[in-house]
Amino acid sequence: AQSVTQPDIHITVSEGASLELRCNYSYGATPYLFWYVQSPGQGLQLLLKYFSGDTLVQGIKGFEAEFKRSQSSFNLRKPSVHWSDAAEYFCAVGVDSNYQLIWGAGTKLIIKP
Amino acid sequence: ETGVTQTPRHLVMGMTNKKSLKCEQHLGHNAMYWYKQSAKKPLELMFVYNFKEQTENNSVPSRFSPECPNSSHLFLHLHTLQPEDSALYLCASSPGGPSSYNEQFFGPGTRLTVL
Repeated sequence: AQSVTQPDIHITVSEGASLELRCNYSYGATPYLFWYVQSPGQGLQLLLKYFSGDTLVQGIKGFEAEFKRSQSSFNLRKPSVHWSDAAEYFCAVGVDSNYQLIWGAGTKLIIKP
Repeated sequence: ETGVTQTPRHLVMGMTNKKSLKCEQHLGHNAMYWYKQSAKKPLELMFVYNFKEQTENNSVPSRFSPECPNSSHLFLHLHTLQPEDSALYLCASSPGGPSSYNEQFFGPGTRLTVL
């Protein structure tokens, strides 16, 4: 069965430091890959997505993610975080055989001033 | 109003009450979804509607009853809930039919507490 793992429940980063959030998936073929962000009191917003082509994907708010087929990973990165990036981040996977997205449990990002 | 709106934003109800959650999307989308979000757990898809027709019911207990009168509105009727049903209920919509690659647009959610 397909699954998505976000190994870090929460991560604390200093403002201005770089960020990497991990996402691993289990699926035999190349899935559709998404990162969503949920700010406090808000719904989820799409940051970026990967379907095919260039494995480095640029998203909104200065985020990028890299698809690594050999590692079944789709890690999210940002070179310099801002206090407004404090939120919960969700990785999700879509597969052709089922239109339902498979969601990770989320990583809560805490920003230290 | 723009995007996806949900009302009420907060709801406290007893186990014998009947209440309804409302979702409205102003995006012209055809697919709408109800999700349950509990702390430290992945999002759980509850129901999917495509062009007002229910296409998915993920083994959700019958105390949750969805209704989709048109492509813009989605309701979740609640009755005789249990305390473990306390969670954030999120509504989402997507263009076209449900698919594994269409972006989903989410509302802010209804925080439900069952006493």
